[in-house]
Amino acid sequence: DVKVTQSSRYLVKRTGEKVFLECVQDMDHENMFWYRQDPGLGLRLIYFSYDVKMKEKGDIPEGYSVSREKKERFSLILESASTNQTSMYLCASRDDTGAAGKLFFGSGTQLSVL
Amino acid sequence: GQNIDQPTEMTATEGAIVQINCTYQTSGFNGLFWYQQHAGEAPTFLSYNVLDGLEEKGRFSSFLSRSKGYSYLLLKELQMKDSASYLCAVMGWGKLQFGAGTQVVVTP
Repeated sequence: DVKVTQSSRYLVKRTGEKVFLECVQDMDHENMFWYRQDPGLGLRLIYFSYDVKMKEKGDIPEGYSVSREKKERFSLILESASTNQTSMYLCASRDDTGAAGKLFFGSGTQLSVL
Repeated sequence: GQNIDQPTEMTATEGAIVQINCTYQTSGFNGLFWYQQHAGEAPTFLSYNVLDGLEEKGRFSSFLSRSKGYSYLLLKELQMKDSASYLCAVMGWGKLQFGAGTQVVVTP
């Protein structure tokens, strides 16, 4: 089974702090994604990566950056956390052989910015 | 862009059938996906339709009509463990867009 692991389940940070959310997958998938999930809005794509050191902006990249130095690891960075970035953050991965929309998700990180 | 609509909440009795509708507008359509998400957990893949028609997988079936921009997820013989949010997602021009999800509540 594919395993996507997010380093923290719950995180509380202060406004202005730099925040790192880590995600690791163990199935050698090329594609990795960061979403945020908010009530009534569904999942919104922040950034994705289709290869090491490659990144593409999603629908809501403002205030975020990403890093993919190794194939299995995709990090989301909040350069200066703000209260409107309080949300559930979900990491996902996908291989190139399956259906294009079949993603494997991590358990999520609930981030609260105070 | 893509616009996806699905009901916010549905309630049904254990053993019954529930149908969750999803309508969408997209360009470059390349598949419609259903995910299940239990409270506090990650979404998990349920089904995938790229051609018109019905796909059946045990108690769950998914239907697609591309000309109408319409899909439904049918849950039969409902069980308490089916209480969850069901997310409709559409792939268009290489981007997967999610609806807000339908919360299904199964009552005894």
